[in-house]
Amino acid sequence: AQSVTQLGSHVSVSEGALVLLRCNYSSSVPPYLFWYVQYPNQGLQLLLKYTSAATLVKGINGFEAEFKKSETSFHLTKPSAHMSDAAEYFCAVSAGGGNKLTFGTGTQLKVEL
Amino acid sequence: NAGVTQTPKFRVLKTGQSMTLLCAQDMNHEYMYWYRQDPGMGLRLIHYSVGEGTTAKGEVPDGYNVSRLKKQNFLLGLESAAPSQTSVYFCASSLPLAGSTDTQYFGPGTRLTVL
Repeated sequence: AQSVTQLGSHVSVSEGALVLLRCNYSSSVPPYLFWYVQYPNQGLQLLLKYTSAATLVKGINGFEAEFKKSETSFHLTKPSAHMSDAAEYFCAVSAGGGNKLTFGTGTQLKVEL
Repeated sequence: NAGVTQTPKFRVLKTGQSMTLLCAQDMNHEYMYWYRQDPGMGLRLIHYSVGEGTTAKGEVPDGYNVSRLKKQNFLLGLESAAPSQTSVYFCASSLPLAGSTDTQYFGPGTRLTVL
């Protein structure tokens, strides 16, 4: 069985500040991990994915995430938040190459001036 | 390419009515999925398909049926709608990757309200 826990359903940061969105996973086999972003009234778009090639994964819009097996974590970061980053972010896990994703409950990111 | 499209965008039903949601993709993807999104619960998989003519149950299949008669289309049916099925429904598609998991591409969603 696989699962994902996203700590913090709402995160608020100031424009220009560091963004840190937390994701911990549970999987009995090596996982594939994804971060998706959802802007208001839209579908989900892929930000980045970890597929065992490199532990530090760079994605679109300046986001990156680091896979830490010892901590079972895949936290999403961005050095400097922009107003356009305000959205809901979902972490997802797939294990065993089955192509089915299990999503976390999401983190709503608010960026304030 | 349009990617993944969903029809309709919005729908209001009365309890007991039936309806079909249509998902279409033009990326020649083998795999297709239906999710529902509810506040505080993330996305939950309803049904999925690994190829034309095949379907399988996901995490929350009760009250829904699906069909994949053509590779590019995946239909989600509600035979007798209930208020608990009020949700936003997303379709997604992906390629199969041996021993790995490919990116899923999502449609814009259908917002369904059951009164």
